[in-house]
Amino acid sequence: DAGITQSPRHKVTETGTPVTLRCHQTENHRYMYWYRQDPGHGLRLIHYSYGVKDTDKGEVSDGYSVSRSKTEDFLLTLESATSSQTSVYFCAISGDSGQYFGPGTRLTVT
Amino acid sequence: GENVEQHPSTLSVQEGDSAVIKCTYSDSASNYFPWYKQELGKRPQLIIDIRSNVGEKKDQRIAVTLNKTAKHFSLHITETQPEDSAVYFCAASVGGATNKLIFGTGTLLAVQP
Repeated sequence: DAGITQSPRHKVTETGTPVTLRCHQTENHRYMYWYRQDPGHGLRLIHYSYGVKDTDKGEVSDGYSVSRSKTEDFLLTLESATSSQTSVYFCAISGDSGQYFGPGTRLTVT
Repeated sequence: GENVEQHPSTLSVQEGDSAVIKCTYSDSASNYFPWYKQELGKRPQLIIDIRSNVGEKKDQRIAVTLNKTAKHFSLHITETQPEDSAVYFCAASVGGATNKLIFGTGTLLAVQP
């Protein structure tokens, strides 16, 4: 599983609260990604990182921010969660033989 | 912007039959095309990929074909088994950078025993 973990694995939060999801990798990969998965939409890229402190937006970045202060950690923050951000969030890394996903975080915003 | 269309959205086959899933992409610079399998409640798993310098790649019962002129690629599964039942996603690289992918919306494959 490419040494990728995500925390928490499940979270329920209220509208308007801040939420931070963590992705941790053990294999020193340069590229890391955050996707969200919703029925009928497949996997959509939120933000990605190509190195420490180097990040860029994906196709659905509004309402999300990221930070990468260490190679092994990539954080996704919802500054003020909304019900439309209820989703399953996957972190991924890009290795020599392709992109590999973490186990996912199921986030429910009530 | 870049787009990947995937068809069909659902596919039901009898065990032992073949299954074909098709994708088209819009970015003519795309050069890397992976396929993922996702079982219920699990993470997507990379099962096969193809780069634009080849037209076909096989791995046991699965194969992928690529037609760069028409900008479409397909996943072929032969001799399907119940454990092949899952959602399959295609993806295409954004431009020539294999590190950024656009995904199709997925195909739910059901293999009936």
